[in-house]
Amino acid sequence: QVQLVESGGGVVQPGRSLTLSCAASGFTFSSYGVQWVRQVPGKGLEWVSFISYDGRNIQYADSVRGRFTISRDNSENTVYLQMNSLRPEDTAVYHCAKDRDYGAGSYFTDNWGQGTLVTVSS
Amino acid sequence: DIQMTQSPSSVSASIGDTVTITCRASQGLGGWLGWYQHKPGKAPKLLIYAATTLQTGVPSRFSGSRSGTDYTLTITSLQPDDFATYYCQQANNFPLTFGGGTKVEI
Repeated sequence: QVQLVESGGGVVQPGRSLTLSCAASGFTFSSYGVQWVRQVPGKGLEWVSFISYDGRNIQYADSVRGRFTISRDNSENTVYLQMNSLRPEDTAVYHCAKDRDYGAGSYFTDNWGQGTLVTVSS
Repeated sequence: DIQMTQSPSSVSASIGDTVTITCRASQGLGGWLGWYQHKPGKAPKLLIYAATTLQTGVPSRFSGSRSGTDYTLTITSLQPDDFATYYCQQANNFPLTFGGGTKVEI
């Protein structure tokens, strides 16, 4: 079955960097776009970033553009989110999610990981 | 950026009730809207996509509708498993944006 497993979260000081991984299985990874979505504890969902199946289309939320970089390795079935210059307001549970439709996709996500917690604090 | 205004922020309901949640988009989406259910500590679940299409495996008591830039999620005959937070998300333009969420509670 489809599985997405995030890792790499933890406690980090403001201004430092962290890289999250999203390991996928159970589907043809190289055919689907992937998103990162975060949730600040007690708050709502916030879309963070998208990468297309082939890595050619990359998009970011305004709040992370210039600080976060999304990438993927289709040979390893993994998507990454490199997070630089972290701020306290980046503290959240980060989920990766698979596009419902292959190829160009639809940007609706039908499978999500459980998430990994990132805490930015001194 | 497209703003999604979701209401109400919370609703109290009982088993068997019908619950209606609305999202208003700040501009046209062409029907490119999804509804998600989220429970604490779990992965969000896609319920409806393209405004009105039920995702595979989702019970038929969930339905979606659209009127212009207003989108509605309706849950009929509320079940114990339906107590959760619901979010709309526009998928028409980047950056993708979520509504603020609606907590359905007893």
